[in-house]
Amino acid sequence: AQSVTQPDIHITVSEGASLELRCNYSYGATPYLFWYVQSPGQGLQLLLKYFSGDTLVQGIKGFEAEFKRSQSSFNLRKPSVHWSDAAEYFCAVGSGGYQKVTFGIGTKLQVIP
Amino acid sequence: SQTIHQWPATLVQPVGSPLSLECTVEGTSNPNLYWYRQAAGRGLQLLFYSVGIGQISSEVPQNLSASRPQDRQFILSSKKLLLSDSGFYLCAWSVGQGNQPQHFGDGTRLSIL
Repeated sequence: AQSVTQPDIHITVSEGASLELRCNYSYGATPYLFWYVQSPGQGLQLLLKYFSGDTLVQGIKGFEAEFKRSQSSFNLRKPSVHWSDAAEYFCAVGSGGYQKVTFGIGTKLQVIP
Repeated sequence: SQTIHQWPATLVQPVGSPLSLECTVEGTSNPNLYWYRQAAGRGLQLLFYSVGIGQISSEVPQNLSASRPQDRQFILSSKKLLLSDSGFYLCAWSVGQGNQPQHFGDGTRLSIL
């Protein structure tokens, strides 16, 4: 069975600082990987996705993520965080078929001035 | 472009009352449809998914049921709500194969009194 671990439940960074959110997955085959962002009281918005090919994936809002098969990781990064990036971030792993997707428990990002 | 609508946005119901949450998708045909429940610190729990009209799969035994009366309509129901049914309910859609991401509605906050 597939699984996702987001080891950091809560992260605080200063505005303008760099950001890295960690995600580790467990899946027997080549995974489909996603990062989503959720603002309070809202649904989830897709930031980026990885299926195959280039292991560095660019997404919206200046985010990128790198797939590292040897480490079973798919960490999300942003070089300079803005106050509007404060939200909860979810990593997810999917398989084929009807697209069963397993979500991590999320990392809540706080941005301080 | 595709859009997804969920309503109501918030709902307060007494224990033992019935429930009906509706989700509709526009701009796509034959989508896969999903109902999730989100609890704080626990990520997203898949409740039901549907790959076509009248086809419903349940992931977790519970007090809830789902129906898909039309191609782009997905309904979450209960005959008698429990306190434990409180939570944030999200509808999502996707199309095609497992490498396609899911897209979420804005959710319904359900409070049971």
